[in-house]
Amino acid sequence: AQSVTQPDIHITVSEGASLELRCNYSYGATPYLFWYVQSPGQGLQLLLKYFSGDTLVQGIKGFEAEFKRSQSSFNLRKPSVHWSDAAEYFCAVGPSSGTYKYIFGTGTRLKVLA
Amino acid sequence: DGGITQSPKYLFRKEGQNVTLSCEQNLNHDAMYWYRQDPGQGLRLIYYSQIVNDFQKGDIAEGYSVSREKKESFPLTVTSAQKNPTAFYLCASSIRASSYEQFFGPGTRLTVL
Repeated sequence: AQSVTQPDIHITVSEGASLELRCNYSYGATPYLFWYVQSPGQGLQLLLKYFSGDTLVQGIKGFEAEFKRSQSSFNLRKPSVHWSDAAEYFCAVGPSSGTYKYIFGTGTRLKVLA
Repeated sequence: DGGITQSPKYLFRKEGQNVTLSCEQNLNHDAMYWYRQDPGQGLRLIYYSQIVNDFQKGDIAEGYSVSREKKESFPLTVTSAQKNPTAFYLCASSIRASSYEQFFGPGTRLTVL
């Protein structure tokens, strides 16, 4: 079955420190992968996406992610975190052929210390 | 500006009442989706629609109903059969169901008293 795992429920980093959020997926074919960010009480905003090609993808707000097929991972990174990055981050895979469903991870809540 | 609107942002209802959540998009997208979000559970798909006058059940459709009479509108009704309706509801759309990314509305928080 298709699934997405975000092993870290909460992460706390200091402002200016680097960040890596983990995402592992289980998918039968080459996946389409996404990272979304959600501020409290708001909808989701797309940070970046991977469809094919270069395995290192750049997104908005200085984020990047690397697709590693051998590890079934799509980790999100940022070299220097800003206080405004505090939010919840969701990894997603899809849409699956036939059902057109997207599978979302359970999210990682990021706290940034001043 | 193109986008997805959901109304109202906050909704309170008494137990046993049906309630309808609005979702409108002016992106000219064919596909629309409804998700439910609960703390620690990510997003769970309730219903989705690939085209007008067509929709399919998602993973947690019990106690919910939808309609898709217009391309831009995909209202969700939370019925009294839904055992635990208090949650944050998100509507999304994509160019087509096989398209590669979804765009989300701001969400509606439903509280059943």
